Amino acid sequence: QVQLRESGPELVKASETLSLTCDVSGYSMTSGSYWVWIRQPPGKGLEWIGNIYHTGSTYYNPSLRGRVTISADTSKNQFSLNLNSAAAADTAVYYCAKEGAVAGNWVDPWGQGILVTVSS
Amino acid sequence: DIQMTQSPSSLSASVGDRVTITCRASQSIADSLNWYQQKPGKAPRLLIYSASSLQNGVPSRFSGGGSGTDFTLTINSLRPDDFAIYHCQQTHSPPFTFGPGTKVDI
Repeated sequence: QVQLRESGPELVKASETLSLTCDVSGYSMTSGSYWVWIRQPPGKGLEWIGNIYHTGSTYYNPSLRGRVTISADTSKNQFSLNLNSAAAADTAVYYCAKEGAVAGNWVDPWGQGILVTVSS
Repeated sequence: DIQMTQSPSSLSASVGDRVTITCRASQSIADSLNWYQQKPGKAPRLLIYSASSLQNGVPSRFSGGGSGTDFTLTINSLRPDDFAIYHCQQTHSPPFTFGPGTKVDI
């Protein structure tokens, strides 16, 4: 079955770039589907960051004001998140996950999540 | 963006109870509504998609309903394993926003 796993620095300095990678196994990204990043600040709700289709097209949450980039490397079967100008408010558990083959599908499955702390 | 609200924000229940959680969208989203269960320290798990379709492997005591702007998640005969936070999500228009969550505890 499809499995996802996030990796990257768990501590990022304020104003620097938060960078995470999601390794996908059990499914070839080139087979289709949307791939998504979602985050959850400690003790708070879930925020949808953005997604990427296997062709490379992306959609980002406007609330992140142009700071976010999602890219994919299908040769490695992975996709990545870059969030520029990190601030304390970006401290959160970051999840990568699979959406469906059609835009507007549900999120399943999810990675285990990685807690990223932005410190000054 | 479409805003999602949930009620109640938390509730206390007992094993065997029937529990209903409500999710409301700020505009019509047809049936593009999903429900997730999240336990402490774990990633969310998909329970219901397209408002009322049960995800494979999810117990039949979970059910979803509604369309347009008002949706419900019902848990019949609550079990100890069901104490968790429940999130709704709209996937009608990006960004695909989530509700604030409902905590179900003993």
